[in-house]
Amino acid sequence: QVQLQESGPGLVKPSQTLSLTCTVSGGSISSGSYWSWIRQPAGKGLEWIGRIYSSGATNYSPSLKSRVTISVDTSKNQFSLQLTSVTAADTAVYYCAREAYGGYHYWGQGTLVTVSS
Amino acid sequence: SYELTQPPSVSVSPGQTASITCSGDKLGNKYACWYQQKPGQSPVLVIYQNTKRPSGIPERFSGSNSGNTATLTISGTQAVDEADFYCQAWDSTTAVFGGGTKLTVL
Repeated sequence: QVQLQESGPGLVKPSQTLSLTCTVSGGSISSGSYWSWIRQPAGKGLEWIGRIYSSGATNYSPSLKSRVTISVDTSKNQFSLQLTSVTAADTAVYYCAREAYGGYHYWGQGTLVTVSS
Repeated sequence: SYELTQPPSVSVSPGQTASITCSGDKLGNKYACWYQQKPGQSPVLVIYQNTKRPSGIPERFSGSNSGNTATLTISGTQAVDEADFYCQAWDSTTAVFGGGTKLTVL
């Protein structure tokens, strides 16, 4: 059973860079799947941020593309998110997830990131 | 950009059938997925590739997709099914989520 766990700072200052890591257990990140980041502001819907294939190929949300980088570290079985120039609008629960057959079958528990000075 | 539209809320009586719709341009030409999310929990995939149920999802959950509308149907709705539901599809290499529907079982 694949498990995903997000980690990273829960508080980021405005204009700084948000950095999160997702650690995958119970399976190899090199298995040929897509690995994604998805976020959800409090009381609102899900927003797709982007994804990375095990080879390192990436796709990003057009609305966030200029600020997002997703990378993978196969030696640590992890993938990471960096979001630059954050504002209060980036405050959300951030989820990492594994995609298969077009859907997200596995999700992390989510981590709350608050942007505030 | 591609958009998926869901009704904000749907109400159903216990034991009855609930239908939640998701509309998008030529959505029937794409695969649709559905997620259930209960308060404080991560989303759970209940339908993928329009009609398939992941292991462990009850048979009362079913899906369809044609024309511009995908539909999640819950037959014999139970109180435990009360949750937010989100549809999702792919616009080329970008995932798109609907705005979500709150299902109330009363």
